[in-house]
Amino acid sequence: TQLLEQSPQFLSIQEGENLTVYCNSSSVFSSLQWYRQEPGEGPVLLVTVVTGGEVKKLKRLTFQFGDARKDSSLHITAAQTGDTGLYLCAGDAGNQFYFGTGTSLTVIP
Amino acid sequence: DAGVIQSPRHEVTEMGQEVTLRCKPISGHDYLFWYRQTMMRGLELLIYFNNNVPIDDSGMPEDRFSAKMPNASFSTLKIQPSEPRDSAVYFCASSNGGSLSNEQFFGPGTRLTVL
Repeated sequence: TQLLEQSPQFLSIQEGENLTVYCNSSSVFSSLQWYRQEPGEGPVLLVTVVTGGEVKKLKRLTFQFGDARKDSSLHITAAQTGDTGLYLCAGDAGNQFYFGTGTSLTVIP
Repeated sequence: DAGVIQSPRHEVTEMGQEVTLRCKPISGHDYLFWYRQTMMRGLELLIYFNNNVPIDDSGMPEDRFSAKMPNASFSTLKIQPSEPRDSAVYFCASSNGGSLSNEQFFGPGTRLTVL
């Protein structure tokens, strides 16, 4: 059973396009994080959101935490080839921690 | 700081053999996590420690898996006996600040192949 479901599972887009990745759950999380993982490496943290409704921007990336703290989204504007990688959401549910199912993004030049 | 160090980077073994994976967390970090990543199941948390004490081991697949953290600078994950379905990349991560919400720093992983 996966507590955090991400969609889409795979995404292939042209450079310059916009995209949104979703992370959904039926459980409430005290915080949600987004990580990016490149082949052969461990995940690297992009952002942490802790307040329901919170929106954080990191250059071309916009992260939102749902009002009920059950879901989150990652929006990338004008995607670049360097954005290619596996995007993982992760949530803190008290004494337990979960990673999402992942979204594999490929940006084509 | 050198970051989280894992060894070995690659391990190939035969079914039934014992496998020991090692991790040195970042100095001063009070949380240590062991994960397993496969294409089928994604990134799964196996166990995590806080101040060297196991807090949640509900992700450990079965009794063949065991993890220890004898001190703040070293942890091991042991599989005995190993099976082909244990083949995966095993990551160790560490964090500090007393909360699961803090940034986790991952090691480079150990790619395990059980034949």
